[in-house]
Amino acid sequence: DVKVTQSSRYLVKRTGEKVFLECVQDMDHENMFWYRQDPGLGLRLIYFSYDVKMKEKGDIPEGYSVSREKKERFSLILESASTNQTSMYLCASSPGGSFEKLFFGSGTQLSVL
Amino acid sequence: EDKVVQSPLSLVVHEGDTVTLNCSYEVTNFRSLLWYKQEKKAPTFLFMLTSSGIEKKSGRLSSILDKKELFSILNITATQTGDSAIYLCAVDPGGNQFYFGTGTSLTVIP
Repeated sequence: DVKVTQSSRYLVKRTGEKVFLECVQDMDHENMFWYRQDPGLGLRLIYFSYDVKMKEKGDIPEGYSVSREKKERFSLILESASTNQTSMYLCASSPGGSFEKLFFGSGTQLSVL
Repeated sequence: EDKVVQSPLSLVVHEGDTVTLNCSYEVTNFRSLLWYKQEKKAPTFLFMLTSSGIEKKSGRLSSILDKKELFSILNITATQTGDSAIYLCAVDPGGNQFYFGTGTSLTVIP
């Protein structure tokens, strides 16, 4: 079974802190994604990566950056956390190619105080 | 603008009821539609639909796609408390993005 692991289940940070959310997948997937999930808004794509060192902005990239130095690891960085970044963050991966599905991590509930 | 709309937003039913969840979409390109179930953890894959009129079935859950009318339904028969979850619908337009709806929150009470 594909495993997508997010480093923290719950995280509490202070406004202005730099925050790193880590995601690791173990199935050699080409594509990796970061979503945030908010009530009433569903899943919104922040960034995705289709290869090592390659990244594309999603729908809401402002205030975030990403890093993919190795194929299995995709990091989401909040340069200076703000209260409106309090949310559930979901990482996902997919093999690449046609008729693929997303495999999700368990999510990180981030609270910025 | 590409969009996926799910309805209802939330639903409360009693055990044993049958529920129908709706997902409509407007996208420039369409490759597949996917349903996921999300409890207090990772969304888990339920179905992938690519062709109209072909029902996918897994136990008490089933789903069908209508590519002419641009919607899909997810049916759950004889609901159980373990079916309580958020159900997510997503469209794969090809390329690297998936478009998600807001989800339907289902609560099944004993």
